[in-house]
Amino acid sequence: DVVMTQSPDSLAVSLGERATINCKSSQSVLYNSNNKNYLAWYQQKPGQPPKLLIYWASTRESGVPDRFSGSGSGTDFTLTISSLQAEDVAVYYCQQYYGSPLYTFGQGTKLEIK
Amino acid sequence: EVQLVESGGGLVQPGGSLRLSCAASGFTFRNYWMHWVRQAPGEGLVWVSRINGDGSSTNYADSVKGRFTISRDNAKNTLYLQMNSLRAEDTAVYYCAREDTAADFDIWGQGTMVTVSS
Repeated sequence: DVVMTQSPDSLAVSLGERATINCKSSQSVLYNSNNKNYLAWYQQKPGQPPKLLIYWASTRESGVPDRFSGSGSGTDFTLTISSLQAEDVAVYYCQQYYGSPLYTFGQGTKLEIK
Repeated sequence: EVQLVESGGGLVQPGGSLRLSCAASGFTFRNYWMHWVRQAPGEGLVWVSRINGDGSSTNYADSVKGRFTISRDNAKNTLYLQMNSLRAEDTAVYYCAREDTAADFDIWGQGTMVTVSS
């Protein structure tokens, strides 16, 4: 099975500072046929469904603030929030589509204000 | 407005059955793969099942294979999840979600809670 491992499990960052969340896949999620990484990032606030932030590892979903960015390729990926805002407090998940099971999520990273 | 609205959750005894529905609006439903994703209380997201646009292809997580059946009615713009032989570990919020071209889930419903308990 493809396992997605996020680090850290929780993170406290001061307002206006940078937050970095890592995601490692147990196998590559890079499709050689189109050179795309099938890796997405989601934000989930309490009592709400997840919200898509980033797809193809680094493409920002329409309407997502540009302080959110994604990077990485193959098995190692990063979500960066360049300047943390109060409304960014949430749990963040990475998700892959490549192997078996077809879709797997990381365990989540809880982001709080320091 | 693009929207997914789930219904059908509730309390059911172990071994029982339940059918979830997800009503879609604001987009051409038949053009999209659709999914069910669940989240146990205080836990992370787990993919459950998917179905292609015309309903001819389905896939399931190993944990639900043989017990759950995904289906759709494109005339009614509705996705379903028939859940049989329910277990305590199936207790979760069940979300329906639309798959986008990058194999991500770009639209989610608000979720419906399923509790399996005696």
